[in-house]
Amino acid sequence: DQQVKQNSPSLSVQEGRISILNCDYTNSMFDYFLWYKKYPAEGPTFLISISSIKDKNEDGRFTVFLNKSAKHLSLHIVPSQPGDSAVYFCAATNTGNQFYFGTGTSLTVIP
Amino acid sequence: EPEVTQTPSHQVTQMGQEVILRCVPISNHLYFYWYRQILGQKVEFLVSFYNNEISEKSEIFDDQFSVERPDGSNFTLKIRSTKLEDSAMYFCASIWGLSTDTQYFGPGTRLTVL
Repeated sequence: DQQVKQNSPSLSVQEGRISILNCDYTNSMFDYFLWYKKYPAEGPTFLISISSIKDKNEDGRFTVFLNKSAKHLSLHIVPSQPGDSAVYFCAATNTGNQFYFGTGTSLTVIP
Repeated sequence: EPEVTQTPSHQVTQMGQEVILRCVPISNHLYFYWYRQILGQKVEFLVSFYNNEISEKSEIFDDQFSVERPDGSNFTLKIRSTKLEDSAMYFCASIWGLSTDTQYFGPGTRLTVL
């Protein structure tokens, strides 16, 4: 039962362009969504989050958009940099007790 | 910056053996989690822990698994009798409170069951 889905296992983007990573969820009770970045051999690192009462949250080059009616969120990285190359996980929770993760999208930013 | 630490970084064990994975969460954090990631698959929630008891656990967290906070700093995951399918990266995480938006992850322990 995969409640959070990332349908694109990989994405390649030219440096300086926009990276858009997508995530879909099925549980309408989720009220908090997070994006994590993971480098090989390291634990996930928190990147940005959004509460269900908002539809957009911005932090520097990173913006997360939430479309509750479509149960969809996306992470935009502008401009993309080679150091952004990593696996990005979307996660969701409704109680903070249990976090559901997507399968990840591997982003490659080409110099 | 505070960080979550995990030991060992890599554990190799024989099937049927018991293993204990150790984590030191950030000192003033109150909620603790274990996750695992089988190679090439998604990060899976195992268990959350608060106030010295399990808050929530997933279907994966069966009777072979247990968690403990034996002192004020360590948070351990024990697998009583390891199976081949327990081979994975195990991540510990901690947060200060449920409303916080930053869940700090440790670097992980790679468990290999032979």
